[in-house]
Amino acid sequence: EAGVAQSPRYKIIEKRQSVAFWCNPISGHATLYWYQQILGQGPKLLIQFQNNGVVDDSQLPKDRFSAERLKGVDSTLKIQPAKLEDSAVYLCASRGQREETQYFGPGTRLLVL
Amino acid sequence: AQSVTQLDSHVSVSEGTPVLLRCNYSSSYSPSLFWYVQHPNKGLQLLLKYTSAATLVKGINGFEAEFKKSETSFHLTKPSAHMSDAAEYFCVVSDRTGNTPLVFGKGTRLSVIA
Repeated sequence: EAGVAQSPRYKIIEKRQSVAFWCNPISGHATLYWYQQILGQGPKLLIQFQNNGVVDDSQLPKDRFSAERLKGVDSTLKIQPAKLEDSAVYLCASRGQREETQYFGPGTRLLVL
Repeated sequence: AQSVTQLDSHVSVSEGTPVLLRCNYSSSYSPSLFWYVQHPNKGLQLLLKYTSAATLVKGINGFEAEFKKSETSFHLTKPSAHMSDAAEYFCVVSDRTGNTPLVFGKGTRLSVIA
């Protein structure tokens, strides 16, 4: 079974630029999550989707971050404009129905200069 | 509200000696507890999970953890460390439905010395 795919793996941008990350969850997984992991900390949830609907985006900085999952499969996370403090690893995870385990992708490492 | 405290930010052991990574949790509900491992430049991998069955949980690569409700602890152990165990370990709490966010601890970096 293929795991959660993410791209790009690395991205370097300057502050005030925009950037987008892509995630393809495990086939059949209805629930998709985006996490932000700042260096030296545990991942923090940004947004949770159930199919193509948002379940929880309470921790998403909506003035600059946006995410969508239009067809209920893959998802994109966008930052516009980026700030220095957005430097982090952005992790995507998915979960099947009636399952508690979340499966994580390799992450996208973002550096904002 | 749920929270996790990993009591050590860094643990260093010699190869072949036991590993103990400590975790305390706080939860308003009956929790689900997980340990994830993160190797450098790799994604998070589930080591083991406790949901509601046996309090002693066995995971992959020889790791196990014991749920102690009275101590609100879920410490991770392994009898004998291997060089390949060197990584970052995260203790995680959630509720049993799986619909609430995972709450991660800050992580414990395990170093294994030859």
